[in-house]
Amino acid sequence: KQEVTQIPAALSVPEGENLVLNCSFTDSAIYNLQWFRQDPGKGLTSLLLIQSSQREQTSGRLNASLDKSSGRSTLYIAASQPGDSATYLCAVGSSGGSNYKLTFGKGTLLTVNP
Amino acid sequence: KAGVTQTPRYLIKTRGQQVTLSCSPISGHRSVSWYQQTPGQGLQFLFEYFSETQRNKGNFPGRFSGRQFSNSRSEMNVSTLELGDSALYLCACQQGPPPMNTEAFFGQGTRLTVV
Repeated sequence: KQEVTQIPAALSVPEGENLVLNCSFTDSAIYNLQWFRQDPGKGLTSLLLIQSSQREQTSGRLNASLDKSSGRSTLYIAASQPGDSATYLCAVGSSGGSNYKLTFGKGTLLTVNP
Repeated sequence: KAGVTQTPRYLIKTRGQQVTLSCSPISGHRSVSWYQQTPGQGLQFLFEYFSETQRNKGNFPGRFSGRQFSNSRSEMNVSTLELGDSALYLCACQQGPPPMNTEAFFGQGTRLTVV
């Protein structure tokens, strides 16, 4: 059974700081990994999708890496801004003996202080 | 392009009632999945549909059911509501069929409160 863990659970940083969010998963037989952000009471916004054959993906100030063999992914946010404040969720796409589904971590609550 | 549309956005129901939630995916996205989000359990997978067929189901009781129509729109139904069913219900779509390596797009969710 796939399990996804995100560390830290919460993070508070001053504006302008570079930061790293961590995601680990127990079963390395994955198809892909996706990072999302969620604002309070809202749905999920897709940030980056990394295929199992890829090592990293970049979009603007965001960079996500994937190390499938060690079961880890990191989301790097450069020059953080108050508008980056949200919960960041990591989701792993895998089968695990059944059909494909996304398994989510509990998220990292990020607060960027002006 | 239009995003994933979930209706209604908010619902208040009484214990024992039933409820139907709707999800309209992005045009051309034929896979629809449903998730339940609660503060304690986080996001949990309910089921996934592709071409009107349920292809995968999570560990939820039979009170939770769903279906998909020929236009890819999907509904989920919860019967005999319990207080513990209070949650944000999210649907996601992919071009699919999974596990094709496609990006999942989520709707804004339906906030269900059971009283």
